[in-house]
Amino acid sequence: DAGITQSPRHKVTETGTPVTLRCHQTENHRYMYWYRQDPGHGLRLIHYSYGVKDTDKGEVSDGYSVSRSKTEDFLLTLESATSSQTSVYFCAISESKGTNQPQHFGDGTRLSIL
Amino acid sequence: AQSVTQPDIHITVSEGASLELRCNYSYGATPYLFWYVQSPGQGLQLLLKYFSGDTLVQGIKGFEAEFKRSQSSFNLRKPSVHWSDAAEYFCAVGPYNAGNNRKLIWGLGTSLGVNP
Repeated sequence: DAGITQSPRHKVTETGTPVTLRCHQTENHRYMYWYRQDPGHGLRLIHYSYGVKDTDKGEVSDGYSVSRSKTEDFLLTLESATSSQTSVYFCAISESKGTNQPQHFGDGTRLSIL
Repeated sequence: AQSVTQPDIHITVSEGASLELRCNYSYGATPYLFWYVQSPGQGLQLLLKYFSGDTLVQGIKGFEAEFKRSQSSFNLRKPSVHWSDAAEYFCAVGPYNAGNNRKLIWGLGTSLGVNP
């Protein structure tokens, strides 16, 4: 299994508070992704990174920001959490060689915003 | 527009029966195709992938998938289902564009139930 650690695994917080989720990889892969998974919507890409300090938006980026200061860490921040951001968040990584590399996933963070 | 359709939201089969999960895609170029499985409370695990060559690909856990270009399909099969196969299955196509954009297009998933 790919070495991907997401923290925390579970979090409950209140509307309006800032929240940061961390994804840590030990594979030295160039690409990292943040998804959210909601019933009926499948996986939706929030942001992704193609290198240190190189990030871009996905399809549901509003209300989220990311940072990648080191190859191994990709942080997802909810500046002011809203109830609509209650979801399960997954981090994924993929290698840079070729365009056909699969993504490998962490075990997810279950985030509840009350 | 590029898209992935998994027509079956939920399927239930009996243990020991054969299984086929459908995946249809719309993609402007030769696709790279993936099947993933997600057990409850877990992340997604890669089952198999197709890039080129033999259109019948073998994966982990006894699964296989067949790429049919004429039908724009990449259906997942297993000859004999085990109770532990109960999970959510996702089909994905990619990459969407090239360069630094390595995004995948995901289907909404098929939930598989297995009756003892």
